[in-house]
Amino acid sequence: DAKTTQPTSMDCAEGRAANLPCNHSTISGNEYVYWYRQIHSQGPQYIIHGLKNNETNEMASLIITEDRKSSTLILPHATLRDTAVYYCIVNSGGSNYKLTFGKGTLLTVNP
Amino acid sequence: GAVVSQHPSWVICKSGTSVKIECRSLDFQATTMFWYRQFPKQSLMLMATSNEGSKATYEQGVEKDKFLINHASLTLSTLTVTSAHPEDSSFYICSARDPLAVGYEQYFGPGTRLTVT
Repeated sequence: DAKTTQPTSMDCAEGRAANLPCNHSTISGNEYVYWYRQIHSQGPQYIIHGLKNNETNEMASLIITEDRKSSTLILPHATLRDTAVYYCIVNSGGSNYKLTFGKGTLLTVNP
Repeated sequence: GAVVSQHPSWVICKSGTSVKIECRSLDFQATTMFWYRQFPKQSLMLMATSNEGSKATYEQGVEKDKFLINHASLTLSTLTVTSAHPEDSSFYICSARDPLAVGYEQYFGPGTRLTVT
């Protein structure tokens, strides 16, 4: 599975949109982009995934560039409860769907 | 989304004893479950892939005789840490994939914090 690069940390003001970037320049055609987050001392939570098109669900939006080499997770109205480590993972579903977690981005939402 | 539970949520045991952690998929049948370990301030590290009705597949460097995995049913996988030592103290997390889901997303349990004294 392709490697991803994310900023170590980001800050966001409560109520504002949080835009979390991810670089996956070596992504291959059959690989999906997944986003998970982990709130302190809890198990990770699935957020969203996409292949080519932009995706939106009740939690977030995922914007994937046309060349698929990078993506942005958007939390439209961040709350204090969104403070967490956000992981961007590229996975093709092969190898029994194993996920490889990098260091992720620590998003801190400030009041 | 699908729900995965773990039991216990935390456990303290003495060095040399064994500890069993359960992972259950509550509203779907999971043919494949995964076990991760997370040390403080570090990311999740995959330990093994648990397949229902067959032997688990361990990642490189994980001792299969120390971390026993059993996936006897489509909703339950167990991880037994045998002869635990203080260095095994960690946050253990399981995940499962709903095979009927369109994507490949996994759903994670809340984690089990193991402290070996």
